[in-house]
Amino acid sequence: AQKITQTQPGMFVQEKEAVTLDCTYDTSDQSYGLFWYKQPSSGEMIFLIYQGSYDEQNATEGRYSLNFQKARKSANLVISASQLGDSAMYFCAMREGRGYSSASKIIFGSGTRLSIRP
Amino acid sequence: DGGITQSPKYLFRKEGQNVTLSCEQNLNHDAMYWYRQDPGQGLRLIYYSQIVNDFQKGDIAEGYSVSREKKESFPLTVTSAQKNPTAFYLCASSTAGGNTEAFFGQGTRLTVV
Repeated sequence: AQKITQTQPGMFVQEKEAVTLDCTYDTSDQSYGLFWYKQPSSGEMIFLIYQGSYDEQNATEGRYSLNFQKARKSANLVISASQLGDSAMYFCAMREGRGYSSASKIIFGSGTRLSIRP
Repeated sequence: DGGITQSPKYLFRKEGQNVTLSCEQNLNHDAMYWYRQDPGQGLRLIYYSQIVNDFQKGDIAEGYSVSREKKESFPLTVTSAQKNPTAFYLCASSTAGGNTEAFFGQGTRLTVV
């Protein structure tokens, strides 16, 4: 069954340090996509980064990178040089399947609350 | 501007009443989703739809109903059968393919008293 696990309920990090948020997933599908979202206290969901199961290189978007280890089924988010504005909830998500024939759903992990200390 | 609109932002209802949450998108997306979020928790999938006139149950569909009569609209009805309806509800849409992210609305915070 499709499942996302985030084992860090909360993390505290000093400003300007790098931080890694853990995500492991379970799927029997060979084709899937992995996503990370940020949710500030306002409640909006902000898309950060995407990694496809067939992508050989780790995805990067500015200060965000995704450490994709397919054999371990992990997709950790790395934030370099953290800023006070990075304080938020972070969610890992997955979608199985490709194409219009797939009734694919997107499921989310339980999230990690990241707090940046000045 | 393209996007997803959820209305209203805050909604109050008396226990035992059905209530319908609106979700409209003008992104020309085929797929739409409804999630429920409780305080400090993750997003749980209620219903999703890949195409007009078709939808599937998610993990917590009991007590909820949806319709998908138009590509742009995916309203969610919280029925009186839902035992704990007070929550934050998020609607999302995406292209049907697996390699694109979902775009979210601003959410509706439902309080049942």
